[in-house]
Amino acid sequence: SQTIHQWPATLVQPVGSPLSLECTVEGTSNPNLYWYRQAAGRGLQLLFYSVGIGQISSEVPQNLSASRPQDRQFILSSKKLLLSDSGFYLCAWGGQGGGELFFGEGSRLTVL
Amino acid sequence: ILNVEQSPQSLHVQEGDSTNFTCSFPSSNFYALHWYRWETAKSPEALFVMTLNGDEKKKGRISATLNTKEGYSYLYIKGSQPEDSATYLCAFNTGGFKTIFGAGTRLFVKA
Repeated sequence: SQTIHQWPATLVQPVGSPLSLECTVEGTSNPNLYWYRQAAGRGLQLLFYSVGIGQISSEVPQNLSASRPQDRQFILSSKKLLLSDSGFYLCAWGGQGGGELFFGEGSRLTVL
Repeated sequence: ILNVEQSPQSLHVQEGDSTNFTCSFPSSNFYALHWYRWETAKSPEALFVMTLNGDEKKKGRISATLNTKEGYSYLYIKGSQPEDSATYLCAFNTGGFKTIFGAGTRLFVKA
């Protein structure tokens, strides 16, 4: 069966520090991978998606970047965090042909 | 810009009440409409994926309908229970790789 893991679960970082959130999927190959963010009081905002190794599509111009160095690994990064980067980040796989998404456990980022 | 609207933003009901939420989405370029339940401290999980106009799906006490021509979907919960307390997310897909979510409806069921 397929599983998805992301870490760390909780992160408190100072403004200007770097960020790395990692997500891995097991039990499937060549998945579509996604990073979403939920800011306080808002819905899930699509940040990045990837349909293959090295292929990244960015949805919102911002302070973040994503990379897919391996088929089942998706990384969300920032060189210098802003206060507005605080939120709950979710990695997901799936979505082929409009199908459902399967989410990781989430990572709560607080930037102080 | 694809916009998915959900209402109400939050809802407080008593145990045993039946309730429903609304999701509005663009009626053009429709491919699929998803409903997810997101419980506190857990990940969102899909309830329904609907693709055809007039679709009705049911899972236990929860059901959903779809009108693609006018761009709305309803989620119904019959006889709400405290364990139904969660955020219910609606999501819209145009057949590509992007699934766009609404802000969700937060349901609180009081025992």
